[in-house]
Amino acid sequence: AQSVTQLDSHVSVSEGTPVLLRCNYSSSYSPSLFWYVQHPNKGLQLLLKYTSAATLVKGINGFEAEFKKSETSFHLTKPSAHMSDAAEYFCVVSLVFDMRFGAGTRLTVKP
Amino acid sequence: DVKVTQSSRYLVKRTGEKVFLECVQDMDHENMFWYRQDPGLGLRLIYFSYDVKMKEKGDIPEGYSVSREKKERFSLILESASTNQTSMYLCASSLPGGFRTYNEQFFGPGTRLTVL
Repeated sequence: AQSVTQLDSHVSVSEGTPVLLRCNYSSSYSPSLFWYVQHPNKGLQLLLKYTSAATLVKGINGFEAEFKKSETSFHLTKPSAHMSDAAEYFCVVSLVFDMRFGAGTRLTVKP
Repeated sequence: DVKVTQSSRYLVKRTGEKVFLECVQDMDHENMFWYRQDPGLGLRLIYFSYDVKMKEKGDIPEGYSVSREKKERFSLILESASTNQTSMYLCASSLPGGFRTYNEQFFGPGTRLTVL
């Protein structure tokens, strides 16, 4: 069985400061890992995807994530937050016909 | 761009009614999915389909059924709606993944269903 835990349900940052959204996963095999973003009243949009190539994955809008097998983590970062980054973020682990979503982290960006 | 559309953004139904939620994708994807999204629980898979007329139960199929008669269309059916089915329903589609992986899923905007 596999699972994913997003360690923070809510993160608040000031505009221009770094963003860190934490995700730990559990899986028997090397899974695929994703980060999705959901803006208010919108569907989910893929930010980035890890599929056993480079451990540092770059995504859209300046986000990136690093796969650390020893720590079973896949944290999402961005050097400088923008107001438009305010949204809910979901970490996802996938293996065979099993795709598990984290509970989500709501990111608030203060002016 | 891949487009996944859902028939309604907001829907209000009464307990006991039969409810149909429709989803259409325009990218010839084999896989289609129905999720429900509840605060603090993330997304939970209700059903998925990997081909026309094929379906598999997800984590929470009770009280739901699905239909996939055409490749582009995947319907979620609530046979007798109940108040605990009030939720946001999201449809998604994807290409088939490789062994042990899924390709990314493309999501529709969601249907917020309220059952009174």
